[in-house]
Amino acid sequence: GNSVTQMEGPVTLSEEAFLTINCTYTATGYPSLFWYVQYPGEGLQLLLKATKADDKGSNKGFEATYRKETTSFHLEKGSVQVSDSAVYFCALSEAGNKLTFGGGTRVLVKP
Amino acid sequence: GAGVSQSPSNKVTEKGKDVELRCDPISGHTALYWYRQSLGQGLEFLIYFQGNSAPDKSGLPSDRFSAERTGGSVSTLTIQRTQQEDSAVYLCASSQPGLAKEQYFGPGTRLTVT
Repeated sequence: GNSVTQMEGPVTLSEEAFLTINCTYTATGYPSLFWYVQYPGEGLQLLLKATKADDKGSNKGFEATYRKETTSFHLEKGSVQVSDSAVYFCALSEAGNKLTFGGGTRVLVKP
Repeated sequence: GAGVSQSPSNKVTEKGKDVELRCDPISGHTALYWYRQSLGQGLEFLIYFQGNSAPDKSGLPSDRFSAERTGGSVSTLTIQRTQQEDSAVYLCASSQPGLAKEQYFGPGTRLTVT
């Protein structure tokens, strides 16, 4: 079956530091890949997505590239802010559109 | 416009009781999903409705769980004879039809089984 593995947190960073959250997946077919974010006290929301190999999703300074050869979709941001403190979930979907999520990575950015 | 709404926001119930959780999707979204978020299991898919097609129930953990969607809009998730391991946040999401469409999540219902 499908699965998503992402690095465990918490990840603690200083403001303006570089953030990387690793995500790898196993899928039977050719999935679409997503990063969802859950800010404190808020619901899950889509951060970015990519639907085919070598696509780069980007939003709010975050980027992730769909790497089929390494089955990865790592999330990066060059300069984090305190407001980026949240839990980040990598996910995939196939034809049925249901999302398979990774375990989530809590990120804490300190001023 | 209005987002996905869920009720109640919190529910405390005794072991063995039945509970019903409600989801109002975004108007015009034909796809509706239920997930649950728990400490031990993370975020898990439960069930998926798409238009008038038969629902994908492959994520329901036992036959105590069921869901229906009336009139292609509101959905109710029912858990019968609740157990302590059912304690979790139950999330509903909706989306437009099509591949890889963004799913919009509701705030969730926190269920505690005592």
